[in-house]
Amino acid sequence: QKEVEQNSGPLSVPEGAIASLNCTYSDRGSQSFFWYRQYSGKSPELIMSIYSNGDKEDGRFTAQLNKASQYVSLLIRDSQPSDSATYLCAAPILTGGGNKLTFGTGTQLKVEL
Amino acid sequence: EAQVTQNPRYLITVTGKKLTVTCSQNMNHEYMSWYRQDPGLGLRQIYYSMNVEVTDKGDVPEGYKVSRKEKRNFPLILESPSPNQTSLYFCASSLSSNTGELFFGEGSRLTVL
Repeated sequence: QKEVEQNSGPLSVPEGAIASLNCTYSDRGSQSFFWYRQYSGKSPELIMSIYSNGDKEDGRFTAQLNKASQYVSLLIRDSQPSDSATYLCAAPILTGGGNKLTFGTGTQLKVEL
Repeated sequence: EAQVTQNPRYLITVTGKKLTVTCSQNMNHEYMSWYRQDPGLGLRQIYYSMNVEVTDKGDVPEGYKVSRKEKRNFPLILESPSPNQTSLYFCASSLSSNTGELFFGEGSRLTVL
């Protein structure tokens, strides 16, 4: 099992719809989770962090965390073409050298007109 | 402006010719890290540094060296590059190793012929 797992996509949604991106993680002890957005040819950019079970909203973005089920999701409401990007989930995973921030391989989102 | 600066942004070189990719941050961050990104494999950590003179291996350190003589700089050295080191490289920094809130440089695309 990968430590942080995401569907690679592409996930296609029409403009104005809700895009739902999911991520599962292997380390039950992980306490913090991060969503990065990466446009094609650009560097990753942090868009959301979540530390507690439940929902965290920031504008059109909502991060949802369920520690019991070991998954974290990102909802994008009223999706826009400018949201088309790859979304990377990250979590600290306990390794022999301590907690290491580990990235999933990312989900490609395409918002279609 | 807070930023992480990498140079060069693009480089084509030949097998065995030593090269250095520089990374500098102006945010007084303690933690710095190098990643490589390859299609289907996501972001993989090469080396990281918790502070000046403190460095450690990440997931894929073979063929790379780093140094952290000053807080702001964290160069990545390829002593004898090989074609399997052709990749997109990112430098990132954060306030400390305890946060997953990384700031990424713009990336360096390296091709080894």
